[in-house]
Amino acid sequence: KAGVTQTPRYLIKTRGQQVTLSCSPISGHRSVSWYQQTPGQGLQFLFEYFSETQRNKGNFPGRFSGRQFSNSRSEMNVSTLELGDSALYLCASSVLRGGGETQYFGPGTRLLVL
Amino acid sequence: AQSVTQLDSHVSVSEGTPVLLRCNYSSSYSPSLFWYVQHPNKGLQLLLKYTSAATLVKGINGFEAEFKKSETSFHLTKPSAHMSDAAEYFCVVSESVGSSASKIIFGSGTRLSIRP
Repeated sequence: KAGVTQTPRYLIKTRGQQVTLSCSPISGHRSVSWYQQTPGQGLQFLFEYFSETQRNKGNFPGRFSGRQFSNSRSEMNVSTLELGDSALYLCASSVLRGGGETQYFGPGTRLLVL
Repeated sequence: AQSVTQLDSHVSVSEGTPVLLRCNYSSSYSPSLFWYVQHPNKGLQLLLKYTSAATLVKGINGFEAEFKKSETSFHLTKPSAHMSDAAEYFCVVSESVGSSASKIIFGSGTRLSIRP
């Protein structure tokens, strides 16, 4: 069974631009979560989607948004990029949702904002 | 309030010696607890998880963790370190909040170095 895939793997943008990252969960998984990983802040939860609906949201500004499609694939969008948005963005999928569910992580998209 | 504290940002051990990575948590309800490992330039991989079954949880690569409710701890151990264990380790707490949400909190991570 293929794992969680994320595209692109690497991305360079400039301040003010917007970016869209894509995540394809493991087949059969309906929950997709997004995380931001930076050296200073560690791993921080962005949001979770389940059955095309955002179910849970972390403490990030409205510039960060996402969506999930009927095939469970998810996209994350960041508008008006700032230098501080440079990070590794990780996507994780799980079969169901709720506490106790094991999340399987993709390799991440490394975003550099210049 | 839910929180996770990894007590050591960096642990260094010699190859063949025991590993102990410490994690303390606080949770309002019965949490699920996880340990993930992240090797350089690789994604996060699940080592093991606790979900209110046996308090001693065995994971992959010889790692295990013991859930101690009285101490609110979930320390990760391995009897004998291997060079390939060098990585960043994250303790994670997850709990359901009502029927429509869950909260997932990652610890700050512990970098494990292995000396030859």
